[in-house]
Amino acid sequence: NAGVTQTPKFQVLKTGQSMTLQCAQDMNHEYMSWYRQDPGMGLRLIHYSVGAGITDQGEVPNGYNVSRSTTEDFPLRLLSAAPSQTSVYFCASSLTLPFSGANVLTFGAGSRLTVL
Amino acid sequence: DQQVKQNSPSLSVQEGRISILNCDYTNSMFDYFLWYKKYPAEGPTFLISISSIKDKNEDGRFTVFLNKSAKHLSLHIVPSQPGDSAVYFCAANAGNMLTFGGGTRLMVKP
Repeated sequence: NAGVTQTPKFQVLKTGQSMTLQCAQDMNHEYMSWYRQDPGMGLRLIHYSVGAGITDQGEVPNGYNVSRSTTEDFPLRLLSAAPSQTSVYFCASSLTLPFSGANVLTFGAGSRLTVL
Repeated sequence: DQQVKQNSPSLSVQEGRISILNCDYTNSMFDYFLWYKKYPAEGPTFLISISSIKDKNEDGRFTVFLNKSAKHLSLHIVPSQPGDSAVYFCAANAGNMLTFGGGTRLMVKP
């Protein structure tokens, strides 16, 4: 049982390049989400999905694209990278809603992205 | 505008003493509150939670208190241990989203 797996762990991009951060979970979780962590800002929600084929925007969706074609995978796409997207990105999943304590978000180890 | 705020970016306590981490929120629709702990180079891990209909929840050395009228919650760690040194995030659930505060870095000195 691998939990939530993110790849790559580190990535350096040039401004304007595109890339995809991969996220996979093997727990049959319906809910998946992407957060970014910036100093002093905590974790901010980018996009989330409540099931295959369903995605929605979080607090900071601009510049990012997501899709959910399978229950297991939830890739995050940067269409044209900007220095403001330099951050640590976390993918997280849960079996269902709400996040009550009995049901919680499980996080991956993170992907550190630097945009030059 | 941040709906969940942790006003203390850092806290230092002596081993064996109590650590108190605070969190304020603005959205009355939050129905669950959670605390996560994060070590460097790892993802956050769930620590403890509380429902909005309760005012206290305890799990071993960790206790969370909720004051709905003040829109304030706190995490108490007693006794604090060096292994508790980490960044602590409070989070609040409304609908399909979990909203996090900015985090407090706790340092427990031996």
